[in-house]
Amino acid sequence: DGGITQSPKYLFRKEGQNVTLSCEQNLNHDAMYWYRQDPGQGLRLIYYSQIVNDFQKGDIAEGYSVSREKKESFPLTVTSAQKNPTAFYLCASSIREGWVSGANVLTFGAGSRLTVL
Amino acid sequence: GDSVTQMEGPVTLSEEAFLTINCTYTATGYPSLFWYVQYPGEGLQLLLKATKADDKGSNKGFEATYRKETTSFHLEKGSVQVSDSAVYFCALLIQKLVFGTGTRLLVSP
Repeated sequence: DGGITQSPKYLFRKEGQNVTLSCEQNLNHDAMYWYRQDPGQGLRLIYYSQIVNDFQKGDIAEGYSVSREKKESFPLTVTSAQKNPTAFYLCASSIREGWVSGANVLTFGAGSRLTVL
Repeated sequence: GDSVTQMEGPVTLSEEAFLTINCTYTATGYPSLFWYVQYPGEGLQLLLKATKADDKGSNKGFEATYRKETTSFHLEKGSVQVSDSAVYFCALLIQKLVFGTGTRLLVSP
């Protein structure tokens, strides 16, 4: 079955360490996204990518980095510059970036929960 | 800017009760509207959508009607089940996808 795989599901990090969250999709989707979810704040967009080797900052990109070397993969690195990294991170994809399509539907992975010790 | 406002939760209901979760939006144009659902420990799944005024989205017994005059997209279900316990997110799409803060629904037997 097609879908999005995020790993690891749970991750613990010491302060000052960089960590990388994996996101892989086999849906042949063009666009991929990273969201951060905090209690009471809904989902906030970190980065998104419309095509390979291209990505754009979202609303809260500071302290994060991404790459898009392959269509299927969109890893997120949480750097030591991110002041409050403890959160639930969700990766998503869609058939095209299509902000203007009016029908763009995102498929989400199961998420990765990062805790800073 | 564009935004979505949802009723705060948790919403606590008994099985077979009627459900309404309010959602209103602010947008500079004519957005598409969505409801996503998040079950415990999982990512979000699309529940239903509506792309223009007066459209009604429906799925799994849930319904929501795009009301342009009241800028609302309230989620309703006639008879909830324990398995409907989850967090529900309202979202709009215009230029980008904007989510509300989510409403937790707890259904007891």
